[in-house]
Amino acid sequence: EVQLLESGGGLVQPGGSLRLSCLVSGFTFRSYGMSWVRQAPGKGLEWVSIITASGDSATYAESVKGRFTISRDNSKKTLYLQMNSVRVEDTAVYYCASSVGMWYFDLWGRGTLVTVSS
Amino acid sequence: DIVMTQSPDSLAVSLGERATINCKSSQSVLNNANKKNYIAWYQQRPGQSPRLLIYWASTRESGVPDRFSGSGSGTDFTLTISRLQAEDVAVYYCQQYYRTPPYTFGQGTKLEI
Repeated sequence: EVQLLESGGGLVQPGGSLRLSCLVSGFTFRSYGMSWVRQAPGKGLEWVSIITASGDSATYAESVKGRFTISRDNSKKTLYLQMNSVRVEDTAVYYCASSVGMWYFDLWGRGTLVTVSS
Repeated sequence: DIVMTQSPDSLAVSLGERATINCKSSQSVLNNANKKNYIAWYQQRPGQSPRLLIYWASTRESGVPDRFSGSGSGTDFTLTISRLQAEDVAVYYCQQYYRTPPYTFGQGTKLEI
């Protein structure tokens, strides 16, 4: 069974840091680009970042560039998102998703909630 | 950035009837070399994660019922749900992957019975 399981969300103060993880099972993780997509409460979907299958290249939304870092460990089948200097507007459910050909997002996790508040 | 605009924002359709959701991109997402439109559609049921329905504008993902269909080219696209069922209540999003980054989504269309 294919599964993407996010973890690491929680309450963090503005300016703080948090690291999200996404453990994958049931498909060949090392063959797929992987992405983070977030959804603020009651809002739509916003793409955050994507990384190539090998991990040698990544891109970011302007809203998180310079603050967030995406990475992956193919040996552990795990995707990460290091979130630094977080802001109130980063509050959202963060989904990890696999990306076919670095195009569309075919498999999604259940998400982890990040709340940025003092 | 390519802006994706969906219409309507919400709609109510009776069971067994057809629902039509539109998506317009601010610039063409058609690759003239391979004749593919770089558009995907997702369904997000209440309390659930998004689910891929359609990619390349009209290719149905494995396991998606054939009552879901996608059409359009260039800048104008449509998701059609024929014979609406109760389980189709959801928010639907279009997404472009032609000029990235960023990958951009429409604002969503809420479908109710």
